[in-house]
Amino acid sequence: AQSVSQHNHHVILSEAASLELGCNYSYGGTVNLFWYVQYPGQHLQLLLKYFSGDPLVKGIKGFEAEFIKSKFSFNLRKPSVQWSDTAEYFCAVTPSGSARQLTFGSGTQLTVLP
Amino acid sequence: GAGVSQTPSNKVTEKGKYVELRCDPISGHTALYWYRQSLGQGPEFLIYFQGTGAADDSGLPNDRFFAVRPEGSVSTLKIQRTERGDSAVYLCASSPTGVSNEKLFFGSGTQLSVL
Repeated sequence: AQSVSQHNHHVILSEAASLELGCNYSYGGTVNLFWYVQYPGQHLQLLLKYFSGDPLVKGIKGFEAEFIKSKFSFNLRKPSVQWSDTAEYFCAVTPSGSARQLTFGSGTQLTVLP
Repeated sequence: GAGVSQTPSNKVTEKGKYVELRCDPISGHTALYWYRQSLGQGPEFLIYFQGTGAADDSGLPNDRFFAVRPEGSVSTLKIQRTERGDSAVYLCASSPTGVSNEKLFFGSGTQLSVL
């Protein structure tokens, strides 16, 4: 079975700082990778996803993530964070082409100070 | 509706009672998922429906948990003989067809508290 590790539980940044959130997964085959975000008081929503092709994927609100297969990683980045990026971020993985069973990491709480 | 709707938003019950949690997915979505999120954790998969049938129920923790989707739209998650450890946010999500690279549309969840 697959698993996901998010090593940063809580990250605090000032506005305009750069962001990188770590995500590593464990699975022996081909995977689809996702980052979901949960803003305060809102439901989970998709930030970006990778399933094939260019390993650098761009999502909403200026976020991007890079799939590095050799490192089993899918780190999330943003060059300059804003106060409105304060949220909880979840990395998730599912095996490609199989019955859907999305496995989530434990999440990273990002707090951006104004 | 415009999004995935879950009712109730909050449910407080006593240990040993039976509860039902409802999910109304986005119209036309054939795939429906239930997840459970405990405090400080990411969502944990419970069950996946494709149409009316449970295509994968491997995440249900034990036989006290059961879910149905009789007409391929609304789903109900049923928990018998609730225990304090069942306290969590129960999330429902849907997607158009259920292919593995599709994004999930989540509801706001039901916060279940077992006293």
